[in-house]
Amino acid sequence: DIQMTQSPSTLSASVGDRVTITCRASQSISSWLAWYQQKPGKAPKLLIYKASSLESGVPSRFSGSGSGTEFTLTISSLQPDDFATYYCQQYYSYPSWTFGQGTKVEIK
Amino acid sequence: QLQLQESGSGLVKPSQTLSLTCAVSGGSISSGGYSWSWIRQPPGKGLEWIGYIYHSGSTYYNPSLKSRVTISVDRSKNQFSLKLSSVTAADTAVYYCARVSDSLFDYWGQGTLVTVSS
Repeated sequence: DIQMTQSPSTLSASVGDRVTITCRASQSISSWLAWYQQKPGKAPKLLIYKASSLESGVPSRFSGSGSGTEFTLTISSLQPDDFATYYCQQYYSYPSWTFGQGTKVEIK
Repeated sequence: QLQLQESGSGLVKPSQTLSLTCAVSGGSISSGGYSWSWIRQPPGKGLEWIGYIYHSGSTYYNPSLKSRVTISVDRSKNQFSLKLSSVTAADTAVYYCARVSDSLFDYWGQGTLVTVSS
């Protein structure tokens, strides 16, 4: 199994801050990485796929980068609606998909 | 707009079988190119992919759960189902159904909490 490790586990930030979350894969996954946002009591929502492609309707303040084993999700200017938990998901190892453990973005 | 809705027992006794159904509306479960998946999330924890069923009926399961999982589809009702046998407290989780498109989970149900307790 490909293991996905996110850091940090929790991140405290203020509205307007630039926020970066890291996801590392236990082996190269090329660019087969997605990011999801989950708010309390809700299902996850797809934000980014293929490491850097923005899903339709997702604000442009979200961006993704990386390839191989190291990836980042960046929120350029944190908005109140962005306080949530973010998960990365690898889909290189089809069809045995795995998620990171999540990064909670909380209000500072 | 595609919608998915989970239903089933919210309380299951240890050693028994968990059974959930996901009703799909706004689209056909038989549409080519998609598969249909189950994912779970223990309280306060991360996401674990359980398995999927392709529109053709072929299935694939998470190796860690494979011996206990069965996913099936009922095309006449436009729904798919999950059975997880020999449950323990570790199977307590919110269970989500989702559509898979190009290995991405693009539509999700709202989730249903299943508690394993005597």
